Order: sequence, then structure tokens, then C-alpha cells
Amino acid sequence: EVQLVESGGGWLQPGRSLRLSCVASGFTFDNFGMHWVRQAPGKGLEWVSTISWNSGSTGYADSVKGRFTISRDNAKNSLYLQINSLRTEDTALYYCARRGITTVANSLYFDSWGPGTLVTVSS
Amino acid sequence: QSVLTQPPSVSAAPGQKVTISCSGNTSNIGNNFVSWYQQLPGTAPKLLIYDNNKRPSGIPDRFSGSKSGTSATLGITGLQTGDEADYYCGTWDSSLTAGVFGGGTKLTVL
Repeated sequence: EVQLVESGGGWLQPGRSLRLSCVASGFTFDNFGMHWVRQAPGKGLEWVSTISWNSGSTGYADSVKGRFTISRDNAKNSLYLQINSLRTEDTALYYCARRGITTVANSLYFDSWGPGTLVTVSS
Repeated sequence: QSVLTQPPSVSAAPGQKVTISCSGNTSNIGNNFVSWYQQLPGTAPKLLIYDNNKRPSGIPDRFSGSKSGTSATLGITGLQTGDEADYYCGTWDSSLTAGVFGGGTKLTVL
């Protein structure tokens, strides 16, 4: 069974830093691209970042570019999101999501999601 | 403001059919595949449809997807009270070089 479990969330003040983790199990982690998606309280889904299977390619939403860094450790079946210079608008539930297998470049979908880890930014 | 546009809410009676629209442009829906997700209250999103109209294993054929031009549609037939949830469309945006989602549609089964 595919499982993704996020951790590292909490309450922090604006300007601080945080690293989120996602541990994967039940599949061959280094065969899959991975993503972070967040959801502010009572709001919709917002795509945050992506990393390819071998870390050779990364991407970020404009709203987090320059402050967030995605990384992975395939030996540990783990995905990370380093968040610097936290802002109140970063308050959200952060989901780790697996990119679905596809043979076409213009297909992006998320076939497995973790339960999320909550980040609250407030003074 | 979401890149993809969905109606905020739809409703229908049990047993009936409902459709949820998702509108974009040539940078996203027009040239990329669309996926749909169901988010039950207090839970993570769940994949319903990928590549416009394909259902993952375990998703009943009451759920269907289609795409035409720069719009996509999710259809749900034989509505059940357990279908009450938020539904999101998603795709890749080639101009933004980013994943994008619709704002979500809340389905109420009356």
C-alpha cells in the first residue's frame, strides 16, 4: 500500500524557517516525481513545488520562489521542503503528493497524497 | 484568484446527475491533460480522473471526465450522499511552468 506521511509542521513567527519532511513507503520512491501542494484554512488547493525522480529538475510556484527549496533523499525514501522567511500567507496544510506515472510530458496528476502537516505562521 | 475557474457550488438530488465545469486557457487546459480530485471533509484530496477521462482503479464509473478546447467537465451520475465533497480540477500550465488548480466546487446532495 502506498503511504506518504508528512511531518515538521507547527506554529512559527513570521521570518522564521522550517523544514517539512515526507516519508514514503509501499512503492519504489526513486521511480516517481514528487510534489508539494498546500491548502490554506478554508481555501482551495495551491500547487507549491515539484522535484524529478533524480533531483535533476525542480520547479516552484511564483508565490514561493526564492524562499522555498524542495529536495529529496532517495536512500531514505524522503521528500523535503525547506521554507525560509515565513509569511503569514504561508499558513496552510502542506501535502506531499506523488506524481502519477505518465508517458506524455503534458500530463500532470497526483495519484497519492499524504494526510498533510499544518504550518501556522503568526506573531 | 485561481488560474482555472470552477463554479463555487453545485447541488442535485440523490440519484441524479451533476456536472462540474473547469475553464482555463491554451496555456493550461488547452494543451495539457486535466485531472480531477475529490476532497471529503477533513481528508486529503483523492484522484478521481486523470488524463482528461481516465479513472484510476477503484473509482466507480459513475465518475467521468471530458475535455473540449480550454474547458473540462467532471460528471457524476447516480448521486449519493457520500459524494458530498469539494471537487478540484488540475493541470499543468506551460506558460507559468507550474501546476494549477481550480478554486474548487462544493457538491451538495440534497
